[in-house]
Amino acid sequence: GAVVSQHPSRVICKSGTSVKIECRSLDFQATTMFWYRQFPKKSLMLMATSNEGSKATYEQGVEKDKFLINHASLTLSTLTVTSAHPEDSSFYICSARVRFPVRGFTEAFFGQGTRLTVV
Amino acid sequence: AQKVTQAQTEISVVEKEDVTLDCVYETRDTTYYLFWYKQPPSGELVFLIRRNSFDEQNEISGRYSWNFQKSTSSFNFTITASQVVDSAVYFCALVRKAAGNKLTFGGGTRVLVKP
Repeated sequence: GAVVSQHPSRVICKSGTSVKIECRSLDFQATTMFWYRQFPKKSLMLMATSNEGSKATYEQGVEKDKFLINHASLTLSTLTVTSAHPEDSSFYICSARVRFPVRGFTEAFFGQGTRLTVV
Repeated sequence: AQKVTQAQTEISVVEKEDVTLDCVYETRDTTYYLFWYKQPPSGELVFLIRRNSFDEQNEISGRYSWNFQKSTSSFNFTITASQVVDSAVYFCALVRKAAGNKLTFGGGTRVLVKP
């Protein structure tokens, strides 16, 4: 199957600093990427949808200025957590939608996730 | 609006027992897809199955089986003869065709298989 690489897998940062998380589709082009957030022992919640070359669409309640999303190419989307605080500590996971799906529009693959800890 | 409910938050079984995970969904759409994912302690999501709303055939894959019933809006998942490696959190999810690939996840069911 298609591979989505997410980096870093774990990151610890100091409060007030910014952290960038990368999501790459390695062997396919992704016109759309999704960013999810998962609090400990909770479900995954969609944060935003990014389309290549355009602004991301954020879900209600997600701060656009806090979570900057850039989707500059068909294989790379980045999520930057700006001025991180301990409450931003969470598991972030991306999903990339295949540009030319073989099995239909629902072809989407997940990255391995990034565990962010803000101290 | 769509919603996915996994009523069981945690299930504990002894190895070799069968375990069934319930999933009930809500949507007004006629075209939608249902998924099951496994999330082991490492965190990555492992795709298990996708089923579209027009295909109500049940499916078996090794020790895994799925029962899709549109009449009750349920898509239940059974692990037969469970093993310790099955210990994980399992998520049921829904995608509406109109919403592209935006997944709506259930709350997840944590399965603990004891030796």
